[in-house]
Amino acid sequence: QQQVKQSPQSLIVQKGGISIINCAYENTAFDYFPWYQQFPGKGPALLIAIRPDVSEKKEGRFTISFNKSAKQFSLHIMDSQPGDSATYFCAAANNAGNMLTFGGGTRLMVKP
Amino acid sequence: EPEVTQTPSHQVTQMGQEVILRCVPISNHLYFYWYRQILGQKVEFLVSFYNNEISEKSEIFDDQFSVERPDGSNFTLKIRSTKLEDSAMYFCASSGRGEQFFGPGTRLTVL
Repeated sequence: QQQVKQSPQSLIVQKGGISIINCAYENTAFDYFPWYQQFPGKGPALLIAIRPDVSEKKEGRFTISFNKSAKQFSLHIMDSQPGDSATYFCAAANNAGNMLTFGGGTRLMVKP
Repeated sequence: EPEVTQTPSHQVTQMGQEVILRCVPISNHLYFYWYRQILGQKVEFLVSFYNNEISEKSEIFDDQFSVERPDGSNFTLKIRSTKLEDSAMYFCASSGRGEQFFGPGTRLTVL
C-alpha cells in the first residue's frame, strides 16, 4: 500500500515536444506529491509539488496534473529541451516533512 | 543559496568494516533524513530525525544502522558492519516544515 508506481521507465522526446510521466499511488493517506529531477552523479532536486486540494499546478514549463479519485498524478514538461534530459522521480508522503515514497524513476532523453 | 553538503563523496570499505557518512543540513532546518539509492534503482527512505531522536525508520534501517547529530551542524549515518548489499548512493536531506532538500550523496562501495 506504500508503493508508488511510475511509468514509463524511459522516454525519448524531440526538442520542443511534450514529455509526460505518470504515477499512481495506493495509500489514500498521501497528501503531498513532489516531483524530483536527478542528473547523473547528483542528488534529487525538487522540481514541483502538489497537494490534493488542487487538480493542477503549473510552474514555467512544468505542470503537475492530479486526479484524486483515480489516485494518479502526472508531470508534463512543455517545450522539452535537451537540458531537461535527466531522471525524474515522483514521490508521495502523508505530510511534506514525512518520509517520501519514491516511484521507480523515468529516464528522459530530449533529442535536439 | 543554502544547500545540503555531504562528505565524503565516495567511500570504499571492506565488508564488515564500520563507516560513517557525514552531512551538513541547511542551517535553519529541523528535520533530517537519510535515503539510499542502489545503482539504477529508486530512492528508498531509511530514517528521519527530529528533535534529537528518530521519528520514522524503514525496514532497511536495522540494528546495523544508527544516526546521530553530534553537534549543531552535522548529521551522521553509521553502518556498524557493512555488507556487500550496502553498496549504494546515500543521500542526506533536510527540511524546515515542508519540502525536503537533498545533498549530492555519498557513493558507498563495499568490497
